[in-house]
Amino acid sequence: DADVTQTPRNRITKTGKRIMLECSQTKGHDRMYWYRQDPGLGLQLIYYSFDVKDINKGEISDGYSVSRQAQAKFSLSLESAIPNQTALYFCATSDLKGTQYFGPGTRLTVL
Amino acid sequence: TQLLEQSPQFLSIQEGENLTVYCNSSSVFSSLQWYRQEPGEGPVLLVTVVTGGEVKKLKRLTFQFGDARKDSSLHITAAQPGDTGLYLCAGASGGTYKYIFGTGTRLKVLA
Repeated sequence: DADVTQTPRNRITKTGKRIMLECSQTKGHDRMYWYRQDPGLGLQLIYYSFDVKDINKGEISDGYSVSRQAQAKFSLSLESAIPNQTALYFCATSDLKGTQYFGPGTRLTVL
Repeated sequence: TQLLEQSPQFLSIQEGENLTVYCNSSSVFSSLQWYRQEPGEGPVLLVTVVTGGEVKKLKRLTFQFGDARKDSSLHITAAQPGDTGLYLCAGASGGTYKYIFGTGTRLKVLA
């Protein structure tokens, strides 16, 4: 079984809808991250959490919110989706050495 | 704002050729990582470098961290079709576990 899982894997939605992307991990890591990937732009950090009570904004947090429900779960929400949030979204965890482990990604399309 | 610029953005070469990918910044990083990403998957860590001037080898891949810890290079010897993918560098500063990703180099190795 995969160590970092994301649901859904693909989602098509309409402008103005609320969307939640979920991430679960079995690696036992405290540190978790949400990234967005657009063609030609690499990965951009949206939010990160170093433990259940610690939530931090990344480079591009506007329009997004997160919830760390437990050590193993970190959810990303788009309160009112807009077309320029169409992208590939990745969840990741990090061990004590700084190695990041990525989920398979969620492809989100906002019409 | 910290930026990591990668060059070239795209590279298409024949099997057996050598290549070098560059990752440059005006900022100093405490550690720098290289990842490879294949279509439909999340990035996978190749190496982490932490000391200025450090050189690490992974089979046919050689990674170097610049003396000033602002830049890095990835050299591939005798490239193979299996090396095809998106190569990403990522830097962390100040001993944090918050990563800034480069813009990526998309490599295609033709048989």
